[in-house]
Amino acid sequence: AQSVAQPEDQVNVAEGNPLTVKCTYSVSGNPYLFWYVQYPNRGLQFLLKYITGDNLVKGSYGFEAEFNKSQTSFHLKKPSALVSDSALYFCAVRAPYGQNFVFGPGTRLSVLP
Amino acid sequence: DSGVTQTPKHLITATGQRVTLRCSPRSGDLSVYWYQQSLDQGLQFLIQYYNGEERAKGNILERFSAQQFPDLHSELNLSSLELGDSALYFCASRAGLGGEYYGYTFGSGTRLTVV
Repeated sequence: AQSVAQPEDQVNVAEGNPLTVKCTYSVSGNPYLFWYVQYPNRGLQFLLKYITGDNLVKGSYGFEAEFNKSQTSFHLKKPSALVSDSALYFCAVRAPYGQNFVFGPGTRLSVLP
Repeated sequence: DSGVTQTPKHLITATGQRVTLRCSPRSGDLSVYWYQQSLDQGLQFLIQYYNGEERAKGNILERFSAQQFPDLHSELNLSSLELGDSALYFCASRAGLGGEYYGYTFGSGTRLTVV
């Protein structure tokens, strides 16, 4: 069975500093990995994905994520955080022939001015 | 606007009642997924439909049911409501059974409050 862990409920970072939101996964076969962001009273918005290829993927709003197969991780990063990045971030995984995504519990990111 | 439309945005109802949540997927998307988001359980997959047929079931209670109509919109029916059913209910759509390259497109959700 596939599963996703986001070990931090909350991440606080000062504006302008780099940020990392952690995600580890468990799935049979090569995973499809996604990051979504949820702003208050909104649905989840797609940020970026890893399917195959380069381990470093770039997505929306300056975010990037690094796929590490040996550590089964897919951490979300941004070189310089903005206050507007404050939101709830979800990591999701899907097995190659699976139908559905499994979402992590979410990490609340607070960027302080 | 993501292209996935959910109505109503807010719903307040009493315990024991029945409600229907509606979702119109993004144009051209055949797959519809329903998720429940609550504070204590995170984002839980409920059920998936593809072109009118049920394709996968997750943690959906027997009191809940769903269907997808020929025009591809979907409805989630929640009956005998309990206080614990209070949550955000999201609908998401995807182009096909594959479409993994694009992930899901989520609607803004329906916030259900059971009092």
